[in-house]
Amino acid sequence: SQELEQSPQSLIVQEGKNLTINCTSSKTLYGLYWYKQKYGEGLIFLMMLQKGGEEKSHEKITAKLDEKKQQSSLHITASQPSHAGIYLCGADTGANSKLTFGKGITLSVRP
Amino acid sequence: EAGVAQSPRYKIIEKRQSVAFWCNPISGHATLYWYQQILGQGPKLLIQFQNNGVVDDSQLPKDRFSAERLKGVDSTLKIQPAKLEDSAVYLCASSPARGLAGVEQFFGPGTRLTVL
Repeated sequence: SQELEQSPQSLIVQEGKNLTINCTSSKTLYGLYWYKQKYGEGLIFLMMLQKGGEEKSHEKITAKLDEKKQQSSLHITASQPSHAGIYLCGADTGANSKLTFGKGITLSVRP
Repeated sequence: EAGVAQSPRYKIIEKRQSVAFWCNPISGHATLYWYQQILGQGPKLLIQFQNNGVVDDSQLPKDRFSAERLKGVDSTLKIQPAKLEDSAVYLCASSPARGLAGVEQFFGPGTRLTVL
């Protein structure tokens, strides 16, 4: 079965700082999804990557999928308190669009 | 466009009691998913429906969990009897199509279950 490892486990940054979090898969990814979750709430879709070397940006968040399609990084530029939350990566296993998720990374942004 | 609706938002029960959760997906979405998210973990897929048929229930503890999606729209997830380890957030998600890569899943707010 496919496993996803996210790092670091948690992160505290000062407002305005840049940061990068990672997601590494044990197998080749058909698709890699980034979601954000606030405590006690559902998941909010951020971005989806499919092609090796692909990079997508939305506002101050940029996600990349490496050429071998086994690792993805998510970069936040000039972090704000609104970026705080749990960031989850989910892998499309290729079977019925079923997603396998990592454990998530908890991001705190200090004002 | 209305999102995925779930109810109740919170539920507290004693162990060995029964509980049911309800999900209304986004209109027109053929695929519906139920996930279990234990504190500190990522969501784990319990069951996936395509219209009113089950596509994947390999991780559903069938001795105590059941789910149905009558008429291919709303869905209900039931636990009977509940155990302490069932304490978790139960998330419902829907997507427009099945079997296609790159199809986003839309998540509801979840139901937080506490079993005492």
